Amino acid sequence: DQQVKQNSPSLSVQEGRISILNCDYTNSMFDYFLWYKKYPAEGPTFLISISSIKDKNEDGRFTVFLNKSAKHLSLHIVPSQPGDSAVYFCAASEMHSNSGYALNFGKGTSLLVTP
Amino acid sequence: NAGVTQTPKFRVLKTGQSMTLLCAQDMNHEYMYWYRQDPGMGLRLIHYSVGEGTTAKGEVPDGYNVSRLKKQNFLLGLESAAPSQTSVYFCASSRSGPREKLFFGSGTQLSVL
Repeated sequence: DQQVKQNSPSLSVQEGRISILNCDYTNSMFDYFLWYKKYPAEGPTFLISISSIKDKNEDGRFTVFLNKSAKHLSLHIVPSQPGDSAVYFCAASEMHSNSGYALNFGKGTSLLVTP
Repeated sequence: NAGVTQTPKFRVLKTGQSMTLLCAQDMNHEYMYWYRQDPGMGLRLIHYSVGEGTTAKGEVPDGYNVSRLKKQNFLLGLESAAPSQTSVYFCASSRSGPREKLFFGSGTQLSVL
């Protein structure tokens, strides 16, 4: 059962505009969240993370917002650039998990930034 | 600046054949992982290791075995390949647990006919 859901398989945004990628989770025990970015034929690369004790984390053009009550997080990319075109995976973990060191990944959202 | 290297990049197997996927990292990381990615699915953890000589099961371990005889290497074995194991396999490493950022290899595309 998918505990991390990225309900938008794809998103298209114009260059310079804001991209907002959404992620919902069902497990209230998740307390750490990460975003990974993946280009075709490459492995995922870490983008940004956030702990549940915070509601926002920013790194340059990338900001992740966490709404614990709604079990929702979002990744904002401002301004979007063509090089941001990739698949973005949301992932979550809980401190004391019966599944050991498994990160729970969403299915990914494919972002296309058009010139 | 190699990071995490996986070999081979592509492989086609017949049902019942065996093979080993190799993963090497040069960052002196303690933790290593094997994930699989299937179409329309997120990455799922197969096995992981928290240090040389240790291995543990992840979410989807059935049909796979692993070994970590050296700190820098993590091997994934398929003893008797099945079509359900057709997937893209990613190896990753991290300094500590998965809350530290994972460094991924570029993947192995495996097809089992």
